[in-house]
Amino acid sequence: EDQVTQSPEALRLQEGESSSLNCSYTVSGLRGLFWYRQDPGKGPEFLFTLYSAGEEKEKERLKATLTKKESFLHITAPKPEDSATYLCAVQEGSNSGYALNFGKGTSLLVTP
Amino acid sequence: KAGVTQTPRYLIKTRGQQVTLSCSPISGHRSVSWYQQTPGQGLQFLFEYFSETQRNKGNFPGRFSGRQFSNSRSEMNVSTLELGDSALYLCASSFAGTYPNEQFFGPGTRLTVL
Repeated sequence: EDQVTQSPEALRLQEGESSSLNCSYTVSGLRGLFWYRQDPGKGPEFLFTLYSAGEEKEKERLKATLTKKESFLHITAPKPEDSATYLCAVQEGSNSGYALNFGKGTSLLVTP
Repeated sequence: KAGVTQTPRYLIKTRGQQVTLSCSPISGHRSVSWYQQTPGQGLQFLFEYFSETQRNKGNFPGRFSGRQFSNSRSEMNVSTLELGDSALYLCASSFAGTYPNEQFFGPGTRLTVL
């Protein structure tokens, strides 16, 4: 069965302390891997799309990378405003249409 | 460009009742998907509509249904509500072209079933 696993479940960082979040996936045919940020009580906010192994995308302090089996979201010198839940989702396509299969997320807390 | 809008934002219902949630996609987006988010299960796919047709459905009982109108707006309905249906219901829209297909989410409707 297709599966998306994110680790760690929760992460606490001090401001400026860089780290990485992991998303491992098993799908029969990856059509896209997406990263979202979700603040409490709000809908997920789109961050990145990755498709090919070796692909990298950057936005401010965030950098997403993709291999054939996993994706990483690197956070460089985080600030308290980066605190949120980060969600990874895969899109298999074909008979699945555009449906996204989400991981459970990593809850990130950045303290001053 | 306006984002995805969902109404209502909050709902309180009792067991056995039914509920209808509404979603207006981003202008020009033709695909609308619905997801259920709970603390225990996370985000789970409910169904996807494209050109007024349900293209794909997740593993949910038949009490969950939806439809899409010619202007791409979508509604989902849950009949005979159960306590376990309490969740954040999220709508996402996409342009509907080639893969990868990016989806953009609305703020959600928080449904509480008493």
